Amino acid sequence: KAGVTQTPRYLIKTRGQQVTLSCSPISGHRSVSWYQQTPGQGLQFLFEYFSETQRNKGNFPGRFSGRQFSNSRSEMNVSTLELGDSALYLCASSLNSLPTGELFFGEGSRLTVL
Amino acid sequence: QQQVKQSPQSLIVQKGGISIINCAYENTAFDYFPWYQQFPGKGPALLIAIRPDVSEKKEGRFTISFNKSAKQFSLHIMDSQPGDSATYFCAAGASGNTPLVFGKGTRLSVIA
Repeated sequence: KAGVTQTPRYLIKTRGQQVTLSCSPISGHRSVSWYQQTPGQGLQFLFEYFSETQRNKGNFPGRFSGRQFSNSRSEMNVSTLELGDSALYLCASSLNSLPTGELFFGEGSRLTVL
Repeated sequence: QQQVKQSPQSLIVQKGGISIINCAYENTAFDYFPWYQQFPGKGPALLIAIRPDVSEKKEGRFTISFNKSAKQFSLHIMDSQPGDSATYFCAAGASGNTPLVFGKGTRLSVIA
């Protein structure tokens, strides 16, 4: 069974630009969560989507947005990039929306903002 | 507001020794406590998890100890091996529609 696939794996942007990251969950998984990982802050929750609906949202500014498609694939978008947005963005899928189930993470998309 | 506090930030252990990582939480609604292991260049992967109806769970060399009254839980790695060198994250979740909250991570280095 294929794991969670994230694209692109690496990208470099400049301040003010926008970026779109993609996540393909494990087949059959309907929940997709996004986390931002930075050395100082660990894993911080961005949002969760289940059956195309945003179920939860973390404490991030409105520049961070996401969506989920009918095939459960998800995208997140960051507009007006800032230097502090440089991070590893992790996508995780799970079978259902319950928070107490196992999360399966992708390898992440490493964003560098110059 | 950090809801799960993890310590230490980094840990160096001799091969064969015991690695201990501690976490504390504040929200008494948490009822699921997983540990995730992350190797460089990889995403985190579930290592072991516990629910508050038991005080300890063991899987091979990995043990979670849980103290509900103190609102603390810890990961013990017995007979630590160089292959255990990774970053470990504790997390906590509550039944219902809430996301997992992660600690900031502990970078473990097991040296021969």
